[in-house]
Amino acid sequence: NAGVTQTPKFRVLKTGQSMTLLCAQDMNHEYMYWYRQDPGMGLRLIHYSVGEGTTAKGEVPDGYNVSRLKKQNFLLGLESAAPSQTSVYFCASSRGGSTYNEQFFGPGTRLTVL
Amino acid sequence: AQSVAQPEDQVNVAEGNPLTVKCTYSVSGNPYLFWYVQYPNRGLQFLLKYITGDNLVKGSYGFEAEFNKSQTSFHLKKPSALVSDSALYFCAVRDSWGKLQFGAGTQVVVTP
Repeated sequence: NAGVTQTPKFRVLKTGQSMTLLCAQDMNHEYMYWYRQDPGMGLRLIHYSVGEGTTAKGEVPDGYNVSRLKKQNFLLGLESAAPSQTSVYFCASSRGGSTYNEQFFGPGTRLTVL
Repeated sequence: AQSVAQPEDQVNVAEGNPLTVKCTYSVSGNPYLFWYVQYPNRGLQFLLKYITGDNLVKGSYGFEAEFNKSQTSFHLKKPSALVSDSALYFCAVRDSWGKLQFGAGTQVVVTP
């Protein structure tokens, strides 16, 4: 099993450009999450999904959109990138049915917005 | 609102010495607590969790954590640190919807 994979690994954007980050998991997990990691702030939840076709806002959703059209994929979109969105983005997934299940993380995408 | 605090930005320890990484939490209701580790340029890896039961929880790579309800703490411990334990450690608390609230992280540096 590949676990959780993220595409791309690195990206540089100019202010105002758009892009989509792809997360895929092969563990048949119900729940998926997008986080951003900034120095000294830990990980902050952007959006999450508790099942195919459903999404919800997390702690810092502004400027991002998500879609979960297939159970195994969770896409994070930036419609008009801003320098404040320079960060490392992590996707995670977990089994559904319980709030006790640990999350499995992807390797991250390092995004720089100039 | 729930939260976790990791009071130390960095912990320095010599190889072979005991390692402790501190975490305190604030929740309404029962706490569901987690520890994760992040090695350089990698995603987070699950170490251990406390849901209920014994206050001493054993996890991966020889780590354990002690849950203390009266002190609202969940400190991570390892009896004998290795250089390979050098990494960034995160404490997290989970809410009833399954979302994690992370602490800011503690950098552990183990010197030979």
